[in-house]
Amino acid sequence: IAGITQAPTSQILAAGRRMTLRCTQDMRHNAMYWYRQDLGLGLRLIHYSNTAGTTGKGEVPDGYSVSRANTDDFPLTLASAVPSQTSVYFCASSPGNGLGYTFGSGTRLTVV
Amino acid sequence: GQQLNQSPQSMFIQEGEDVSMNCTSSSIFNTWLWYKQDPGEGPVLLIALYKAGELTSNGRLTAQFGITRKDSFLNISASIPSDVGIYFCAGLNYGGSQGNLIFGKGTKLSVKP
Repeated sequence: IAGITQAPTSQILAAGRRMTLRCTQDMRHNAMYWYRQDLGLGLRLIHYSNTAGTTGKGEVPDGYSVSRANTDDFPLTLASAVPSQTSVYFCASSPGNGLGYTFGSGTRLTVV
Repeated sequence: GQQLNQSPQSMFIQEGEDVSMNCTSSSIFNTWLWYKQDPGEGPVLLIALYKAGELTSNGRLTAQFGITRKDSFLNISASIPSDVGIYFCAGLNYGGSQGNLIFGKGTKLSVKP
């Protein structure tokens, strides 16, 4: 079934550790996005990529980095996790040009 | 930056009742989207609106793109228990170097059987 796969589904991480959240799509969508969802704050954009090889910063990029080596994969890395990064992280993709986004099922991350 | 004001924040309704929620913005959007998020899942697209004044239905759901392009509403008729979830509006301006969705903070819907 075509869609977006995120891994892991959940993780408990010690503060200061490095962590990479994985995201893979098989729809050949050009654009991919990472959002974090926090209670009362909705979905906030962390980083995005309009095409393979390019990335950009969203609303809350600090403490996160991304890469887009190919069309299908868009990993999100926390170099040194902090408790304020406890959140649910959603990856999304879009064919572009104003069409709707497809979301993954999310990664629930707890930093302790 | 651009912000969307979505209301109400939460709703508790009886099964069979109609539901209405809306989003407003100080900025113009080219596209309005409505998503639903079930517990433990990612948001799923319900309706997409591309033209000012457009009225679109998807089963029991109806959404409209405001004439000013600064607002949108979503109506759900004859609610059922599976309508429970969080509904998000989202505005999109595309073209140029990026085309990123701006989300409202969501409306949490609870339906009593």
